[in-house]
Amino acid sequence: KNEVEQSPQNLTAQEGEFITINCSYSVGISALHWLQQHPGGGIVSLFMLSSGKKKHGRLIATINIQEKHSSLHITASHPRDSAVYICAVTLGSNYKLTFGKGTLLTVNP
Amino acid sequence: AAGVIQSPRHLIKEKRETATLKCYPIPRHDTVYWYQQGPGQDPQFLISFYEKMQSDKGSIPDRFSAQQFSDYHSELNMSSLELGDSALYFCASSFGDPTYEQYFGPGTRLTVT
Repeated sequence: KNEVEQSPQNLTAQEGEFITINCSYSVGISALHWLQQHPGGGIVSLFMLSSGKKKHGRLIATINIQEKHSSLHITASHPRDSAVYICAVTLGSNYKLTFGKGTLLTVNP
Repeated sequence: AAGVIQSPRHLIKEKRETATLKCYPIPRHDTVYWYQQGPGQDPQFLISFYEKMQSDKGSIPDRFSAQQFSDYHSELNMSSLELGDSALYFCASSFGDPTYEQYFGPGTRLTVT
């Protein structure tokens, strides 16, 4: 079983829709990261969370430490949001990131 | 603001050749991480350095070695290249503590023919 599970694997939405991507993890973490990767492109860090909620523009990330669950929300989605969204965690005192399999989001105009 | 720099951005090598990938972290960042992302795969952690010392090691083949230099840049040396080494290699940097955010470089795309 993967330590980091994401759902859904693929998500197609119409422009303007509210989008939620979920991430569950099975072990104690020191931080959770939401990353964005465009096809063939580099990785951009969107959020790093250890508790609570963060907001940046149309993106909102929440984490529930007790339930070992995080969500990434995109409000008023736009075709330029189309990308792979990856949940990754740092475990305890380890420095490395352990990645989920990613969610491929396609937003149609 | 300065970002993580990786060079080269693209590299084509033949089997059994050697490759060196370079990573220049954000100024004042003291921790560097290397990740490998094969085609259609999620990134896998290779190795990390903190203050020029190896801090963690993942699924890095013995044919690969890496180090962090006094100016905090890091190099990943890959020898006896195999076709399966073809991948996107990311470097990330952060400041110290693992709860600090990691900033990713644009990646080096290595193609082994």
